[in-house]
Amino acid sequence: GQNIDQPTEMTATEGAIVQINCTYQTSGFNGLFWYQQHAGEAPTFLSYNVLDGLEEKGRFSSFLSRSKGYSYLLLKELQMKDSASYLCAVKDSNYQLIWGAGTKLIIKP
Amino acid sequence: SAVISQKPSRDICQRGTSLTIQCQVDSQVTMMFWYRQQPGQSLTLIATANQGSEATYESGFVIDKFPISRPNLTFSTLTVSNMSPEDSSIYLCSGRNREAGELFFGEGSRLTVL
Repeated sequence: GQNIDQPTEMTATEGAIVQINCTYQTSGFNGLFWYQQHAGEAPTFLSYNVLDGLEEKGRFSSFLSRSKGYSYLLLKELQMKDSASYLCAVKDSNYQLIWGAGTKLIIKP
Repeated sequence: SAVISQKPSRDICQRGTSLTIQCQVDSQVTMMFWYRQQPGQSLTLIATANQGSEATYESGFVIDKFPISRPNLTFSTLTVSNMSPEDSSIYLCSGRNREAGELFFGEGSRLTVL
């Protein structure tokens, strides 16, 4: 079967760095997405990785290793507004999006 | 990316009734989808809304329960029929323009069935 694993919840301190991991087993691979979802709101797109390596976008970076079936989202200089759920999603060989359950990130002052 | 508007944003419904959710995109999109997200859980794809033809439903979802229309490239509706408390959820409309493109989402419609 197809599976995406992420930690359920993480806690970090304002100003610090946090890394949210995502491992996947899917039938084929056509890219990995990270989305941010604030409570009660719709998900918003953060990043897309299809090749191995690190993609940096301001305070957020996303890394992919296809051979290991692994990705992480790195958030630097954490702000209170970064408190949200972070969803990892993989597009399989049929271009179907397989979603992880999300990681709830709690930022403390 | 396009902007998606959904309505209603929330509603409280009685058991046995039906509710239609509307999704309007501010530009033409190739593909539109309907998702459900139950409290504390991730997204579950209900169906792909196909322009001018019947939607393509995922396992566990049927047309009689979730009829979908997509008359053109900017508009779609999802009806939740004969609702029960188990249908209480957030329903999200989404779209993308390329197979490899990212999904963008509407604000969601939060339904509570009593």
